[in-house]
Amino acid sequence: DQQVKQNSPSLSVQEGRISILNCDYTNSMFDYFLWYKKYPAEGPTFLISISSIKDKNEDGRFTVFLNKSAKHLSLHIVPSQPGDSAVYFCAASANGNKLVFGAGTILRVKS
Amino acid sequence: GAGVSQSPRYKVAKRGQDVALRCDPISGHVSLFWYQQALGQGPEFLTYFQNEAQLDKSGLPSDRFFAERPEGSVSTLKIQRTQQEDSAVYLCASSLPPRTDSPLHFGNGTRLTVT
Repeated sequence: DQQVKQNSPSLSVQEGRISILNCDYTNSMFDYFLWYKKYPAEGPTFLISISSIKDKNEDGRFTVFLNKSAKHLSLHIVPSQPGDSAVYFCAASANGNKLVFGAGTILRVKS
Repeated sequence: GAGVSQSPRYKVAKRGQDVALRCDPISGHVSLFWYQQALGQGPEFLTYFQNEAQLDKSGLPSDRFFAERPEGSVSTLKIQRTQQEDSAVYLCASSLPPRTDSPLHFGNGTRLTVT
């Protein structure tokens, strides 16, 4: 039972344009959401998070949007840079419990 | 370095062998997690320690998997009688707060291949 789903295995974007990565969840108890970025042969690194009391959180080029009614969140990267090419994981937790990860989306930013 | 350190980076084991994977968390970090990542999948939770106490081991796939953190710092994940389905990257992560939903600092993982 996949509680966190990233339905796009990959995404290709031109440098300078916006990248939008999507994530859907099924557990309505999730109250904290995070995005991680992973380069090959490295562990995931934390990127940005959002609490369920908010619908938007911004950090530089990265913005996360949360739509609780749709159980959907998205990560926007603008402008996209070649160094953003990596695997992006969405993760969620409920009531301070362990993080549940999606399967990841491979982002390729073409120069 | 100041990050989470895992060893070995790569491990090849013959089916039936026992393996031990080591994790050195960031100094002072209270929480320590082990995750298993199969090819093309996201990390899946195995177990969680708060200091030396193993508070959640609900993700361990079988009784062949055992984890310990005896002094509240270094942790070892042991897999007995390895099977081919154990082949995966094993990720260790730590965080300072004694809670399970804070952003985690991951190591680079140990890639286990069981032949």
